[in-house]
Amino acid sequence: GQNIDQPTEMTATEGAIVQINCTYQTSGFNGLFWYQQHAGEAPTFLSYNVLDGLEEKGRFSSFLSRSKGYSYLLLKELQMKDSASYLCAVLDSNYQLIWGAGTKLIIKP
Amino acid sequence: NAGVTQTPKFHILKTGQSMTLQCAQDMNHGYMSWYRQDPGMGLRLIYYSAAAGTTDKEVPNGYNVSRLNTEDFPLRLVSAAPSQTSVYLCASSYSEGGELFFGEGSRLTVL
Repeated sequence: GQNIDQPTEMTATEGAIVQINCTYQTSGFNGLFWYQQHAGEAPTFLSYNVLDGLEEKGRFSSFLSRSKGYSYLLLKELQMKDSASYLCAVLDSNYQLIWGAGTKLIIKP
Repeated sequence: NAGVTQTPKFHILKTGQSMTLQCAQDMNHGYMSWYRQDPGMGLRLIYYSAAAGTTDKEVPNGYNVSRLNTEDFPLRLVSAAPSQTSVYLCASSYSEGGELFFGEGSRLTVL
């Protein structure tokens, strides 16, 4: 079966750095997405990785290793507004998205 | 630019009743999809449409969909069951496998 694993919940301190991991086992691979979802709001796109390596976008970076079936989202200089759920999703060989259950990130002052 | 708009935001209905969740997008996206979001689980695809006038796969039991034009993609619960209690998210994208733009969701409770 197809599976995406990410931690259920993480806690970090304002101003610090946090890494949210995502491991996947899917039928084929056509890219990996990260979305951010604040409570009660719509998920919004953060990043897309299809090749191995690190993609940096401001305070957020996303890393992919296809051989290891592994990705992480790195958030630097954490702000209170970064408190949200972070969703990892993989595009399989049929271009269907397989979603992880999401990681709830709690930022403490 | 409104993006993806869903109505209603909240609704309670009784087992056996029917209702339609509305979804509209103003970005001229071809692909539209419906997901349900339940606690502790990843988003689950209910149905998608690749273009206006097309229905691309078998519709799951308990649901009905239509795509009469590019903008609108309503989801109808035919005879609601408690197992359909969920948050329903509508999304659109410019291309298959592309970035998804989501609506804020419709929280549905079936008693």
